[in-house]
Amino acid sequence: DTGVSQNPRHKITKRGQNVTFRCDPISEHNRLYWYRQTLGQGPEFLTYFQNEAQLEKSRLLSDRFSAERPKGSFSTLEIQRTEQGDSAMYLCASNGGFGYTFGSGTRLTVV
Amino acid sequence: DAKTTQPPSMDCAEGRAANLPCNHSTISGNEYVYWYRQIHSQGPQYIIHGLKNNETNEMASLIITEDRKSSTLILPHATLRDTAVYYCIVRVERYGNKLVFGAGTILRVKS
Repeated sequence: DTGVSQNPRHKITKRGQNVTFRCDPISEHNRLYWYRQTLGQGPEFLTYFQNEAQLEKSRLLSDRFSAERPKGSFSTLEIQRTEQGDSAMYLCASNGGFGYTFGSGTRLTVV
Repeated sequence: DAKTTQPPSMDCAEGRAANLPCNHSTISGNEYVYWYRQIHSQGPQYIIHGLKNNETNEMASLIITEDRKSSTLILPHATLRDTAVYYCIVRVERYGNKLVFGAGTILRVKS
């Protein structure tokens, strides 16, 4: 498999619950990015990893959000105490050199 | 943060060339221009990228003006499957070389 895989594809959760998303990047890519996309908008940068190190976090990433990339392989994005405003598509991308490959995203709906 | 300006929407007749413009007047000398497209509910798909010279691949051509302040993506023979949101992106050459998306152009190819 040469693509970026994201799971789950869809997640419906009740407000106040915690959710976790997973991203499996292209294996030889050392950079991994998380984006959030709301309806009618372009993807907004959230955070990025170089191998296992998280090197930048956007102001959009509140204290309720945390991301990890143990051992520089897959990454997880956790949202605690979800709010309705967290409803969005969460996209993961990996990069090795000039190429950036995006996954299909996880669509989160908070009810 | 987005450094690009694109028209919100464009129409194109099937079989004709689609020319999508993009302004990036504040681009720096070592920043690349990338084009991605996104079909509903999917992750962004890479089309092409360039620095100074015009580029062509099996999907499209990228024409960058000599002053690098604008570019045009050309889909030579648009099909209905090319209907999508097209993003012109300047890659920020720091902070992990992240891609900063704008709102994009909705291209509608009509039969």
